Amino acid sequence: GAGVSQSPSNKVTEKGKDVELRCDPISGHTALYWYRQSLGQGLEFLIYFQGNSAPDKSGLPSDRFSAERTGGSVSTLTIQRTQQEDSAVYLCASSPGGNQPQHFGDGTRLSIL
Amino acid sequence: AQRVTQPEKLLSVFKGAPVELKCNYSYSGSPELFWYVQYSRQRLQLLLRHISRESIKGFTADLNKGETSFHLKKPFAQEEDSAMYYCALHRGSTLGRLYFGRGTQLTVWP
Repeated sequence: GAGVSQSPSNKVTEKGKDVELRCDPISGHTALYWYRQSLGQGLEFLIYFQGNSAPDKSGLPSDRFSAERTGGSVSTLTIQRTQQEDSAVYLCASSPGGNQPQHFGDGTRLSIL
Repeated sequence: AQRVTQPEKLLSVFKGAPVELKCNYSYSGSPELFWYVQYSRQRLQLLLRHISRESIKGFTADLNKGETSFHLKKPFAQEEDSAMYYCALHRGSTLGRLYFGRGTQLTVWP
């Protein structure tokens, strides 16, 4: 399909391990967003990429979190030294531009044991 | 600072009853407001945006700048409307992220 694709769909890992989450945006979409969805917390913004501009990292909760977007397309969110409070559904979204409606992927459900 | 508030975490109505999901916002500029919906086991999707002024699946929402509200309404709820609803704000013409409320879980009973 032509929607936003995220992988893996589920990830279970031990506390202290590093994890990488991948997002393939809709082709041609210049804006890409990462959010985190936790029970009782709603949707928490993490980071936003727009074209070749410097990303807006203001939502990253700690320096253990980082993200990159290679070639203006695929993005990887990396969490180092995972903690139990990192358990959540990580959502990626893309849009044709920064002020256009966002299209979401199915998310990656991350569980830290 | 911008903020979106959805005061009801849970909302239950019977089929055929009217439903209103509340959303209030705070932002000093001219925002764009959206409603997103997440049905069970489906991805989050756009329901409607205020600038479109359209009705989707029987839902409407009017931006009230005086009351800083963007409540979602439907005159006759259906069971298939049961879902999580998120109100979201975009800071108008500037690029950037959406600010989401915490969501309202709507259950429509038969």
